[in-house]
Amino acid sequence: GAVVSQHPSWVICKSGTSVKIECRSLDFQATTMFWYRQFPKQSLMLMATSNEGSKATYEQGVEKDKFLINHASLTLSTLTVTSAHPEDSSFYICSARDGRAVAGELFFGEGSRLTVL
Amino acid sequence: RKEVEQDPGPFNVPEGATVAFNCTYSNSASQSFFWYRQDCRKEPKLLMSVYSSGNEDGRFTAQLNRASQYISLLIRDSKLSDSATYLCVVLNYGGSQGNLIFGKGTKLSVKP
Repeated sequence: GAVVSQHPSWVICKSGTSVKIECRSLDFQATTMFWYRQFPKQSLMLMATSNEGSKATYEQGVEKDKFLINHASLTLSTLTVTSAHPEDSSFYICSARDGRAVAGELFFGEGSRLTVL
Repeated sequence: RKEVEQDPGPFNVPEGATVAFNCTYSNSASQSFFWYRQDCRKEPKLLMSVYSSGNEDGRFTAQLNRASQYISLLIRDSKLSDSATYLCVVLNYGGSQGNLIFGKGTKLSVKP
């Protein structure tokens, strides 16, 4: 199947700092990528839809100024958690849809576990 | 009522057992349905799609009941490697959550 790579896998930072997470589609072009957040024992919650060349679409309750998304190319989307606080500690996962795959199949990155001290 | 509901488990079963997971969804207009598998601290991966006529893939059988808005996954002859969390996923065209809505998952633990 299609491959989506996410980096870094783990990050620990101090409260107030910013953290950037990269998501790359390695063998296909993704005009749309999705950013999810998953708290322990919870379902994946869509944070925003990243659109290549245009502004991201944020879900209700997600602060766009705090979670900056940039989708500058067809293979790269970045999520920056600005001024991170302990409550932002979570598992962040990106995904993309390969047009060649079955409808509804999303390919996920490996996820980035953020711990804010 | 949540859009996709699953029994969180955990289901603790011995190797070789048959285990069934259930899932209900609230949007009667939902179009497509899937089961994803998520290993601990890993990303979700598509296990199988769910078709109205029911479908089977080896030891896995998925069924859909649109009238009851109910989806099931049956695993026969459980293996240790089946231990994971199984996510019920619903695709709503035009929905707000990027079209795919994930359940919280049902945790399965297969013991020797």
